[in-house]
Amino acid sequence: ILNVEQSPQSLHVQEGDSTNFTCSFPSSNFYALHWYRWETAKSPEALFVMTLNGDEKKKGRISATLNTKEGYSYLYIKGSQPEDSATYLCAFSQGGSEKLVFGKGTKLTVNP
Amino acid sequence: DTGVSQDPRHKITKRGQNVTFRCDPISEHNRLYWYRQTLGQGPEFLTYFQNEAQLEKSRLLSDRFSAERPKGSFSTLEIQRTEQGDSAMYLCASSFYLTGYGNTIYFGEGSWLTVV
Repeated sequence: ILNVEQSPQSLHVQEGDSTNFTCSFPSSNFYALHWYRWETAKSPEALFVMTLNGDEKKKGRISATLNTKEGYSYLYIKGSQPEDSATYLCAFSQGGSEKLVFGKGTKLTVNP
Repeated sequence: DTGVSQDPRHKITKRGQNVTFRCDPISEHNRLYWYRQTLGQGPEFLTYFQNEAQLEKSRLLSDRFSAERPKGSFSTLEIQRTEQGDSAMYLCASSFYLTGYGNTIYFGEGSWLTVV
């Protein structure tokens, strides 16, 4: 059974704080790791697709790193804003497949 | 808006009835996916198509579920004889698949199903 673990489950921070979340996944036969941002009543927004060990990607104040050998990825948000409040999902795939296995997500609330 | 669109967005049905959801992928995307999300869980894979061919089905997809993608464009997901356990959000996604790359997969807003 393929399992993706995300921590923490939820997080409350103050506006301006920087924060990070963890995604753990099986390291064998790794293909790709996806991060999504999902606001209520909207579609999940693709943030990053990462494929190479040591990959680092950045989009504005959000960045992500990938370690495929040990099976984890970190998502960082610098200077959190209330509009960053959302559930952040990671998903991985194996063996050339694009079938995604999702974690349960980290729910971020940024208080003004 | 040229994103993935799903219809209907919400459906309430009585147990035992059939329901059908439609998904229109992003134009020219060759892969289309269906996922299901229940409360407190991440989305779970159901099935996917490359063009009109259904390439994989999850064991979650019982015989009461059928998906089609005629002509490789829009897709439908039908649930026959609905049960209360089918209550969930059904998410459609699409991508332009290129071998050897991690391709971005774009999701729709989902279709909520409530079986009463």
